[in-house]
Amino acid sequence: AQSVTQPDIHITVSEGASLELRCNYSYGATPYLFWYVQSPGQGLQLLLKYFSGDTLVQGIKGFEAEFKRSQSSFNLRKPSVHWSDAAEYFCAVGAGGFKTIFGAGTRLFVKA
Amino acid sequence: EAGVTQSPTHLIKTRGQQATLRCSPISGHTSVYWYQQALGLGLQFLLWYDEGEERNRGNFPPRFSGRQFPNYSSELNVNALELEDSALYLCASSLGGVSNEKLFFGSGTQLSVL
Repeated sequence: AQSVTQPDIHITVSEGASLELRCNYSYGATPYLFWYVQSPGQGLQLLLKYFSGDTLVQGIKGFEAEFKRSQSSFNLRKPSVHWSDAAEYFCAVGAGGFKTIFGAGTRLFVKA
Repeated sequence: EAGVTQSPTHLIKTRGQQATLRCSPISGHTSVYWYQQALGLGLQFLLWYDEGEERNRGNFPPRFSGRQFPNYSSELNVNALELEDSALYLCASSLGGVSNEKLFFGSGTQLSVL
């Protein structure tokens, strides 16, 4: 069965510290992979996506993610977190459109 | 360029009532998707409309229905509301049902069922 797991329901990091949000997936074929961010009261905004090619993907707002096929993972990273990064982050996998399966999300808290 | 717009922002109903949620996609987008985001459950796919037709639906009962109008805007109707229907309902649009198209999301309608 196709699924996405985000093991961490919430994470707290200090401003300026590095960040890694975990995402593991189960998918029968080579998946399309996405990370979305949802700020309070807002819809989801696409941070980055992986379809093929270089396994290290750069996104907006200084985020990057690395696709590791052997580990079925697509972890999101940022070297230095800003207070404005506090939000909920969703990993998604699938063929796009209605076939996109979303994880349950990881809420990021940033402390001063 | 306007993004995906949803109305109303908040909606309060009582059990057994009907709710109607509306979505206007980005200009030029023909596909509209509806998702339910219940607390702690992530996004659950509800419905996909493209070119005025329902193309796919998620694992939800028939009292969740909708339609897409000629201008590609869409309505989601929830009949016989139950308490567990309380959630944020997100609409997304894309250029079409192309497999790798990213989704553009609206800010959602927060439905509260009392």
